[in-house]
Amino acid sequence: EAGVTQSPTHLIKTRGQQATLRCSPISGHTSVYWYQQALGLGLQFLLWYDEGEERNRGNFPPRFSGRQFPNYSSELNVNALELEDSALYLCASSLSRANTGELFFGEGSRLTVL
Amino acid sequence: GEDVEQSLFLSVREGDSSVINCTYTDSSSTYLYWYKQEPGAGLQLLTYIFSNMDMKQDQRLTVLLNKKDKHLSLRIADTQTGDSAIYFCAEIPYSGAGSYQLTFGKGTKLSVIP
Repeated sequence: EAGVTQSPTHLIKTRGQQATLRCSPISGHTSVYWYQQALGLGLQFLLWYDEGEERNRGNFPPRFSGRQFPNYSSELNVNALELEDSALYLCASSLSRANTGELFFGEGSRLTVL
Repeated sequence: GEDVEQSLFLSVREGDSSVINCTYTDSSSTYLYWYKQEPGAGLQLLTYIFSNMDMKQDQRLTVLLNKKDKHLSLRIADTQTGDSAIYFCAEIPYSGAGSYQLTFGKGTKLSVIP
């Protein structure tokens, strides 16, 4: 069974540009989470989608947005890129009402902003 | 507020035991987790403990939970070089909304010396 897949693996952009990152959850999982892992800051929660709707977002500016498609895949958009947006962006999926709340992570998309 | 604290680095010799510690602030946490991140990879769930348990053992891994002190530890027996990774402590703060939005610590980088 395929795990969580993310694309692209690496992305290089310049300040002011837009970046789009994509995530395909494990088959049967309806919840998708996005986390930012910046150097020295650990994992910061960005967004949670479940059943096609945004359920919660972390403490990030509105230029971080996303959506979840009918097939439960998701995309994260970052507009007006800033240097500090350089980070590993991790996507995770879970069953909508999992008993233990276990998250399954992809390998991440590394965004570099020059 | 929600906060999870971990020491950033731990170095042990191969064959010794490793103990990684974590403190959390949300006393309503239902589950507490240990995730492992190997270089260049996403996070992988190692083990978890329900908040009504004091201890959980899984092969070389022992998790201890002290709810009174809000302290969680992960002990790895007979540490091997393959255990070198970053270990994240995480909790699910109670949200009442069915969210499995984990709050992560900054991670402890375990280095195993051959």
